[in-house]
Amino acid sequence: AQKVTQAQTEISVVEKEDVTLDCVYETRDTTYYLFWYKQPPSGELVFLIRRNSFDEQNEISGRYSWNFQKSTSSFNFTITASQVVDSAVYFCALSEGRISSGSARQLTFGSGTQLTVLP
Amino acid sequence: DAGVIQSPRHEVTEMGQEVTLRCKPISGHDYLFWYRQTMMRGLELLIYFNNNVPIDDSGMPEDRFSAKMPNASFSTLKIQPSEPRDSAVYFCASSLRRGGWYEQYFGPGTRLTVT
Repeated sequence: AQKVTQAQTEISVVEKEDVTLDCVYETRDTTYYLFWYKQPPSGELVFLIRRNSFDEQNEISGRYSWNFQKSTSSFNFTITASQVVDSAVYFCALSEGRISSGSARQLTFGSGTQLTVLP
Repeated sequence: DAGVIQSPRHEVTEMGQEVTLRCKPISGHDYLFWYRQTMMRGLELLIYFNNNVPIDDSGMPEDRFSAKMPNASFSTLKIQPSEPRDSAVYFCASSLRRGGWYEQYFGPGTRLTVT
């Protein structure tokens, strides 16, 4: 069974601070995919990143960076120099690798971390 | 390009009434998903379609819930009769399978309140 744990329910930081959102996952698959989604106060879910289990390279996109470590089953997300507009709920999600023809890889979401960036 | 479109954005109804939520996926996408988000249970997949055919509806909570996809550009999620515990945000998402993977693009959601 798949499981995603985001132990941090809420985090508050002051603008310009760096913040790391933790994500720990469980899966029996050797091939799987990990995701981060952002849900701003407006409510929509915005895709941020997808990583597959064979690619442990860290990724940086502007102020965002992701640290994938298979040894600890973690896929953490860091925002550098946080801004008020980063305030949102962030979800980590997991999907299995092998699927049958016609099936879709289903996402298992964590419970989310509410990030508040104060001015 | 327009993203996933959902309507209505907000729905308030009384217990026992029928509720219909609508979704227009991104043009060309061949998968469509319905999710429900609540404080207690987080984001749950209810059902998904591939090329308009329901593939997995194991997440549908009970017979009061039904979903259809009559064509590639439209899907409905119906609750009849509605109950207060159905109050949640319902998301529709679509994706296009390219090679081994695809990203799911979510609509803005429909906030349903059943009184």
